[in-house]
Amino acid sequence: GENVEQHPSTLSVQEGDSAVIKCTYSDSASNYFPWYKQELGKRPQLIIDIRSNVGEKKDQRIAVTLNKTAKHFSLHITETQPEDSAVYFCAASRYSSASKIIFGSGTRLSIRP
Amino acid sequence: EAQVTQNPRYLITVTGKKLTVTCSQNMNHEYMSWYRQDPGLGLRQIYYSMNVEVTDKGDVPEGYKVSRKEKRNFPLILESPSPNQTSLYFCASSFTKQGSGYEQYFGPGTRLTVT
Repeated sequence: GENVEQHPSTLSVQEGDSAVIKCTYSDSASNYFPWYKQELGKRPQLIIDIRSNVGEKKDQRIAVTLNKTAKHFSLHITETQPEDSAVYFCAASRYSSASKIIFGSGTRLSIRP
Repeated sequence: EAQVTQNPRYLITVTGKKLTVTCSQNMNHEYMSWYRQDPGLGLRQIYYSMNVEVTDKGDVPEGYKVSRKEKRNFPLILESPSPNQTSLYFCASSFTKQGSGYEQYFGPGTRLTVT
């Protein structure tokens, strides 16, 4: 079946440095790619998303890039801050089916002071 | 306040004892889903619903049932729980953002332990 692979599973960066999380999806029909942030003990929350007709999207310190040919998409966080410490999940779905969604296994990001 | 609620938040039960986890949203969203979250496996979709009386299986539906008789409610039913269903469960509802995807709102989670 369809799957989404996410790497790395854990990531530790110095405060102020950049962090990059990468995902690969298998379903060629996927055309919508959201990213969720889950702080310890809390629920996942959408932080940014991208559709397949767009190659890059940016929102302040976070950005997502998509390579549809290679079926790769990545999350970039610049100037990392302590509050960026969390688990990040990528996901892939078909826009026409807003409910069926496959998540990656998550990346635990730690920001070192 | 717009929200997704789940009850109970914590539940310890025994193998084979039927249970229901309720989920309710007050945002008039059409789409609702159930997920389970296990360490190292991320979020796996159990069932989803596109509207009242319209449901479909996600990736891990075995051992679970759902119903969508009203738009706001989407209960998850475990007819005969087993220890491998011990997990953290999230309900979510979503709406389509015009021209730009959709946004999913998650409930607070239900931690279920089956002994």
